[in-house]
Amino acid sequence: GQQVMQIPQYQHVQEGEDFTTYCNSSTTLSNIQWYKQRPGGHPVFLIQLVKSGEVKKQKRLTFQFGEAKKNSSLHITATQTTDVGTYFCAGRGTTDSWGKLQFGAGTQVVVTP
Amino acid sequence: GAVVSQHPSRVICKSGTSVKIECRSLDFQATTMFWYRQFPKKSLMLMATSNEGSKATYEQGVEKDKFLINHASLTLSTLTVTSAHPEDSSFYICSARRTSGRGNIQYFGAGTRLSVL
Repeated sequence: GQQVMQIPQYQHVQEGEDFTTYCNSSTTLSNIQWYKQRPGGHPVFLIQLVKSGEVKKQKRLTFQFGEAKKNSSLHITATQTTDVGTYFCAGRGTTDSWGKLQFGAGTQVVVTP
Repeated sequence: GAVVSQHPSRVICKSGTSVKIECRSLDFQATTMFWYRQFPKKSLMLMATSNEGSKATYEQGVEKDKFLINHASLTLSTLTVTSAHPEDSSFYICSARRTSGRGNIQYFGAGTRLSVL
């Protein structure tokens, strides 16, 4: 079945630094979504990527969908303490009709002031 | 933005009792809702897909008689953990799928932390 791998699982960042989290699927995806979960909170939708090679930006966050639609990345520039949390990618398979998402393991981000 | 309400946020119960968790989409209709389980510092594990007016579809390894799902209306799905035991203690999160011009996006409830004594 479809599997979504996400690395790194843990990222310790100095405030002001950049970092990237990567997501890889074992199968081609229909789309990929990114969520952020703050400590003690629930996942909050960040963005959805649909097109091959798509790049979207949200302020300091840059999301990319690979040409083969099997991988994605989230790059955060000039990290701030508000970026603390776990970032999950979630992929939807091409044969799924219900909108099911396969979540990656998440990247837990800790920011040091 | 879309709002999904999940209730209760926390429940503590004795072993052997049943617990019902509600998931409501407040400002949109959701023909499909999803139920997840999340262990500490782990990812979301999909338990089942809940479709309005039909039986839920359970993921492999999830006991349908243990986790009863009812999606009686376009805005409400419920998960009942029957005869709960300590190993059922976990964080349960629902999501509602909204189909719109933005595509199929899942909006999550705040989660229910279940502790079984």
